[in-house]
Amino acid sequence: NAGVTQTPKFQVLKTGQSMTLQCAQDMNHEYMSWYRQDPGMGLRLIHYSVGAGITDQGEVPNGYNVSRSTTEDFPLRLLSAAPSQTSVYFCASSYRPPWDSLPRNEQYFGPGTRLTVT
Amino acid sequence: GQQVMQIPQYQHVQEGEDFTTYCNSSTTLSNIQWYKQRPGGHPVFLIQLVKSGEVKKQKRLTFQFGEAKKNSSLHITATQTTDVGTYFCAGGNDYKLSFGAGTTVTVRA
Repeated sequence: NAGVTQTPKFQVLKTGQSMTLQCAQDMNHEYMSWYRQDPGMGLRLIHYSVGAGITDQGEVPNGYNVSRSTTEDFPLRLLSAAPSQTSVYFCASSYRPPWDSLPRNEQYFGPGTRLTVT
Repeated sequence: GQQVMQIPQYQHVQEGEDFTTYCNSSTTLSNIQWYKQRPGGHPVFLIQLVKSGEVKKQKRLTFQFGEAKKNSSLHITATQTTDVGTYFCAGGNDYKLSFGAGTTVTVRA
């Protein structure tokens, strides 16, 4: 199993450009999520999905779109990049939602995408 | 809304010493998870606690969940250089999992 894969590893954008960060998992996990990580602020949830065709907003969704057409893929779209979106982005997946206390709710994280917006 | 506070933000430890990092929530949690992120890496799941007063051990790491399910701690004994990294707690409740800001640990050999 490859686990959770993310592409690209690094990206530089100019303000106003759009792009899609790719995320895929091969563990048949229903729950997938996108986080951004900024110094001193931990991991903040952008969007999440509890299954194919279902997405919802996290705590910092503005400027980002997601879709979940298959169980495996969960791309994150930046609509019009801004310098405030400079960050490290992590995709994660789990069999069950992480707030569910039952087993198999641990999240597996991808290697991350380091995005710089100039 | 739910907030999870983690202290200290930084911990500088002499190799061989013990230390503890603490996690506090403003609301009662259904579960708490701990993750470790090595420098330049991604978060990796360590453990989950779900019961009031629960204590779990992984070798030199001891995790506790408070009686009121509003706080948790991670205690590391005899710190080694392999313990370097950032430790995050994440509290679950009300269909959300909120991460603390993390404790970044450096070790002096």
